[in-house]
Amino acid sequence: KNEVEQSPQNLTAQEGEFITINCSYSVGISALHWLQQHPGGGIVSLFMLSSGKKKHGRLIATINIQEKHSSLHITASHPRDSAVYICAVSPNTGNQFYFGTGTSLTVIP
Amino acid sequence: KAGVTQTPRYLIKTRGQQVTLSCSPISGHRSVSWYQQTPGQGLQFLFEYFSETQRNKGNFPGRFSGRQFSNSRSEMNVSTLELGDSALYLCASSLRGGPTYQETQYFGPGTRLLVL
Repeated sequence: KNEVEQSPQNLTAQEGEFITINCSYSVGISALHWLQQHPGGGIVSLFMLSSGKKKHGRLIATINIQEKHSSLHITASHPRDSAVYICAVSPNTGNQFYFGTGTSLTVIP
Repeated sequence: KAGVTQTPRYLIKTRGQQVTLSCSPISGHRSVSWYQQTPGQGLQFLFEYFSETQRNKGNFPGRFSGRQFSNSRSEMNVSTLELGDSALYLCASSLRGGPTYQETQYFGPGTRLLVL
């Protein structure tokens, strides 16, 4: 049973397109994290959300706590956005940290 | 401010051996978490240390252990290595961490372990 589900698994877009990656979770959470992993392994934390919406440059993350759903949007996508995007949740009980399987994004020039 | 550093970056071991990986957090960060990433299982949480105490633990066998020193540096140890332990091992640090993880985590570059 996966506590965190992401869709799509793979995504190819043309440069300039608007991109949406979805994350659904089944546990009560205290926070949701969006992570970016480039080839080679390095992971960067993009957002941490517990409610509402956050924006950083061309990236926007939203969360709906009632529906247990979050989205990561990339506006005006660029080839340098090509990476794996991972959703992770911190449950509000227990001692785990659950990860989605990731969305592999390729942006073609 | 220097980022999270991990040593070694690459490691090859054989089955049955043991291995120790090291993680130095960002200066001032007291929480260090460890993660395993494999193609089949994705990212999985191993454990978290704060002030030299293991505060949280994931679902891994006892062969996986760790510790944290007074300067917040952390090590993880895997004994009796199995082929399935081949993975990228990542550590991340944050100021206080904690079971609810309401802080941004800063990740190191990882140690890639290959077990033959």
